[in-house]
Amino acid sequence: AQSVAQPEDQVNVAEGNPLTVKCTYSVSGNPYLFWYVQYPNRGLQFLLKYITGDNLVKGSYGFEAEFNKSQTSFHLKKPSALVSDSALYFCAVRDINQAGTALIFGKGTTLSVSS
Amino acid sequence: DGGITQSPKYLFRKEGQNVTLSCEQNLNHDAMYWYRQDPGQGLRLIYYSQIVNDFQKGDIAEGYSVSREKKESFPLTVTSAQKNPTAFYLCASSPREGASTEAFFGQGTRLTVV
Repeated sequence: AQSVAQPEDQVNVAEGNPLTVKCTYSVSGNPYLFWYVQYPNRGLQFLLKYITGDNLVKGSYGFEAEFNKSQTSFHLKKPSALVSDSALYFCAVRDINQAGTALIFGKGTTLSVSS
Repeated sequence: DGGITQSPKYLFRKEGQNVTLSCEQNLNHDAMYWYRQDPGQGLRLIYYSQIVNDFQKGDIAEGYSVSREKKESFPLTVTSAQKNPTAFYLCASSPREGASTEAFFGQGTRLTVV
């Protein structure tokens, strides 16, 4: 069975500091991994994904994520946080052999960036 | 503009009533999904459909029903059998081929039982 864990319900950082939102996954095969962001009462917006190749993936709004196969992790990072980055972040996984099936999501991590 | 449209944005239901949430996409995607979002529980899969006239139950299908008569449309009915329907409902779609493609989401419907 596939699963995603986001061990932190909330992450607090000061504006200008680097941020990390953690994600670990479990799949029977190889994973495709995704990060989404959600603002209040809105749908999810896609940030970035890992398919294959370089373990450091760059995405929208200056975010990046590092895939680590040995630690089964896909942590979201940003070198310098903005107040406008405050939102709910979701990590998701899909097994590469299960095209068309639903993404499996973690419970989400609330990022709060203070000025 | 290509995308997914969910309607209505807010919906109120009386106890014992069935209500239907609309989801329409013009992305030409074969696969469509319904998720339920509750605070602190993330997104839980209700139903998904990989092709017209076919759909599968997700993790929390009890008390819900769907249909997929057209590629563009995947309505969700919340029946009176769903004991705790107050939640934020999200519809998504993706191409059926290629597991690497991300899902695209609508803006959600917030359902409240009154």
